[in-house]
Amino acid sequence: KAGVTQTPRYLIKTRGQQVTLSCSPISGHRSVSWYQQTPGQGLQFLFEYFSETQRNKGNFPGRFSGRQFSNSRSEMNVSTLELGDSALYLCASSLGTGVSYEQYFGPGTRLTVT
Amino acid sequence: KNEVEQSPQNLTAQEGEFITINCSYSVGISALHWLQQHPGGGIVSLFMLSSGKKKHGRLIATINIQEKHSSLHITASHPRDSAVYICAVYPNFGNEKLTFGTGTRLTIIP
Repeated sequence: KAGVTQTPRYLIKTRGQQVTLSCSPISGHRSVSWYQQTPGQGLQFLFEYFSETQRNKGNFPGRFSGRQFSNSRSEMNVSTLELGDSALYLCASSLGTGVSYEQYFGPGTRLTVT
Repeated sequence: KNEVEQSPQNLTAQEGEFITINCSYSVGISALHWLQQHPGGGIVSLFMLSSGKKKHGRLIATINIQEKHSSLHITASHPRDSAVYICAVYPNFGNEKLTFGTGTRLTIIP
């Protein structure tokens, strides 16, 4: 079974631009969670989608948004990029939602904002 | 103060040594994860615990719910164990959002 894939793997953007990152979960997984990892703040939860519905959201500004499609693939969008948005963005998929389900992480997308 | 604290932040040991990484948390939790992150960013889930002890190969994870503390042990450490180990908890507020520790960077010297 293929693992979680994320595209692109690396991205360089300029302040003020917007960016869309993509995550394809493991086949059969219906839940996708997104995380941001920075040297200063570590790993932080962004949001979780299950069956095309946002189930949970972390403490991030409205510039961060996401969606999930009927095939469980998910995208996250960051508008009006700031230098502080430079980070590794990780997605994780699981069969279901909640603490009982193991999460499988993708390799991440490294975003650099200049 | 972070809800999840790990110690030590950095650990260097010789191959073969017994390794212990600690995680303390300040909130009630539903479950605790131990994650491993290798250079390049990929994260692997090692254990999910809600009580007691789990073992997988040379890795052992324990949790004491009353003391709000978990430990990850590595026996017969090997250079390939070099990675960042991250503790993460599901607070039992009902919102089920993973909250992460800052990680422990482990380096095993041959």
